[in-house]
Amino acid sequence: AQSVSQHNHHVILSEAASLELGCNYSYGGTVNLFWYVQYPGQHLQLLLKYFSGDPLVKGIKGFEAEFIKSKFSFNLRKPSVQWSDTAEYFCAVNVAWSSASKIIFGSGTRLSIRP
Amino acid sequence: GAGVSQSPRYKVTKRGQDVALRCDPISGHVSLYWYRQALGQGPEFLTYFNYEAQQDKSGLPNDRFSAERPEGSISTLTIQRTEQRDSAMYRCASSTRTSENGEQFFGPGTRLTVL
Repeated sequence: AQSVSQHNHHVILSEAASLELGCNYSYGGTVNLFWYVQYPGQHLQLLLKYFSGDPLVKGIKGFEAEFIKSKFSFNLRKPSVQWSDTAEYFCAVNVAWSSASKIIFGSGTRLSIRP
Repeated sequence: GAGVSQSPRYKVTKRGQDVALRCDPISGHVSLYWYRQALGQGPEFLTYFNYEAQQDKSGLPNDRFSAERPEGSISTLTIQRTEQRDSAMYRCASSTRTSENGEQFFGPGTRLTVL
């Protein structure tokens, strides 16, 4: 069975600091990878996704993530965070090319940005 | 609206009562998913449909939980004889494709509290 681990439950940064949120997954086959974000009071929304091709993917609001297959990792990065990035971030995976398209989520990382 | 809608947004019920949670997916979306999110955790898959057919219900925790999507559009998740441990955010998502690589769009969720 697939699983997703997010290493940091709560991260506190100052504005303009650089961000890296860790994510590792376990599954031996081909996967699709996602980062979802939930801003306070809002829906879960997709930040970025990796299906195939360039392992460095860019998402909205200056976020990017790198898929490192050998490490089973898909870490999220942003060079300079803003106060508006305060949110909860979820790494997620589903099995590529499978009829079972459920998404497996990590437990989430709460990001707090000090103004 | 253009997004996934869920109703009610909040539901408070007494232990032992039945509840029905509704999801209205994005128009034309073939696949519909239900997830449950406990406090401090990521969403956990419950079940999903392609059109009106329930494809995977492996995530339903027990036989008190059931879901239907009779006309391939709106879906209802029913919890019978609710228990306090059922308290959570119930999230619905929909996607355009029957297969694996369609992005899932999430609704606002229904916050269920069982007293």
